[in-house]
Amino acid sequence: DAGVTQSPTHLIKTRGQQVTLRCSPKSGHDTVSWYQQALGQGPQFIFQYYEEEERQRGNFPDRFSGHQFPNYSSELNVNALLLGDSALYLCASSSRGEGGYTFGSGTRLTVV
Amino acid sequence: QKEVEQNSGPLSVPEGAIASLNCTYSDRVSQSFFWYRQYSGKSPELIMSIYSNGDKEDGRFTAQLNKASQYVSLLIRDSQPSDSATYLCAVTSTYNFNKFYFGSGTKLNVKP
Repeated sequence: DAGVTQSPTHLIKTRGQQVTLRCSPKSGHDTVSWYQQALGQGPQFIFQYYEEEERQRGNFPDRFSGHQFPNYSSELNVNALLLGDSALYLCASSSRGEGGYTFGSGTRLTVV
Repeated sequence: QKEVEQNSGPLSVPEGAIASLNCTYSDRVSQSFFWYRQYSGKSPELIMSIYSNGDKEDGRFTAQLNKASQYVSLLIRDSQPSDSATYLCAVTSTYNFNKFYFGSGTKLNVKP
């Protein structure tokens, strides 16, 4: 049973560029949430997708956008990258009604 | 005021001792509580979930919840060096189930 898969594992981008991160949820899960974790901090909620729609959003600017596909996989897009966007980006999947996330291994984004 | 507060530590305990990790939360309608373990550079891993007042035991781990005091804790008995990690407390509410608020984590060091 595959867990949550994220790609790529590491990424280096230049300020102003755009980036797309990808996530495949755990089998049987239909909800995907994205988190940003800066060094030494807890994960911060970016947004959540269910039934191909953004259902909830955290306090992140519109530069952060996403998408969910019919197979429940999801993408996180960040435009106009800033140095402060450097972080570990975590994808978490869950099934509505079931407690607890399953996290992917994350994508380490470095903006230079 | 942060929704979830944790002492950042580090908390140092000798091998074989009991480690006690604490978490407070601000939203009184919070319903579900989770403890995640995160090794350096890795993604969070679910250890325990607790939904009702009292204690819940799973092996060497015991989660304790006191909703009146808005307090949740994790006890690790017979601590091992392999328990050295950052422990994240996460909280969800009835109105935002599946949206987790994380604390910034407590770093635990278990010394041989």
